[in-house]
Amino acid sequence: GDSVTQMEGPVTLSEEAFLTINCTYTATGYPSLFWYVQYPGEGLQLLLKATKADDKGSNKGFEATYRKETTSFHLEKGSVQVSDSAVYFCALLANQAGTALIFGKGTTLSVSS
Amino acid sequence: DAGVTQSPTHLIKTRGQQVTLRCSPISGHKSVSWYQQVLGQGPQFIFQYYEKEERGRGNFPDRFSARQFPNYSSELNVNALLLGDSALYLCASSRRGTEASYEQYFGPGTRLTVT
Repeated sequence: GDSVTQMEGPVTLSEEAFLTINCTYTATGYPSLFWYVQYPGEGLQLLLKATKADDKGSNKGFEATYRKETTSFHLEKGSVQVSDSAVYFCALLANQAGTALIFGKGTTLSVSS
Repeated sequence: DAGVTQSPTHLIKTRGQQVTLRCSPISGHKSVSWYQQVLGQGPQFIFQYYEKEERGRGNFPDRFSARQFPNYSSELNVNALLLGDSALYLCASSRRGTEASYEQYFGPGTRLTVT
């Protein structure tokens, strides 16, 4: 079945460091891909998305490129801030009829000043 | 515009009891999905409803049920609660009908603790 695999955390960085969180997926067809962020005590917020191969999603300095050849959607940010500390989830939507999001297990990011 | 709202925020129940969780979608959104998030894991899909009909169901037992009302709000019911049902229950709404409709917007969740 369809699945998402994320790098295990926690990821601990100093402010202004470069961030990469790896995400690979398994799916039939051409899924849409998403990154969600969950701040402590809150629900999920959509961070960015890409709906077809080679699309680049971007938001708030974060970027991810849909790589069909490597079935990957790695999240990157050039300079992290303390306020980026959160749990990041990679997810796919395999059915364009709009049913279930399939999530990875999440990667905890902790940024210190 | 108001986001997705859920009630209650927190809930403590005893094994064997029944619970009802409520969700109001973003205005204009006709689809509601429910997810279960166990501590330390990603959310797991439970149900999707669109136009008051069930459109998808995840791998959850029949103790879990849901419905959607004419105003597109939704309830999730769980019967015969088990300790393993303790989790954050998330509701998400989406517009449907256009590509952008596949974006799901999540509420803050209901934290259910079963003792």
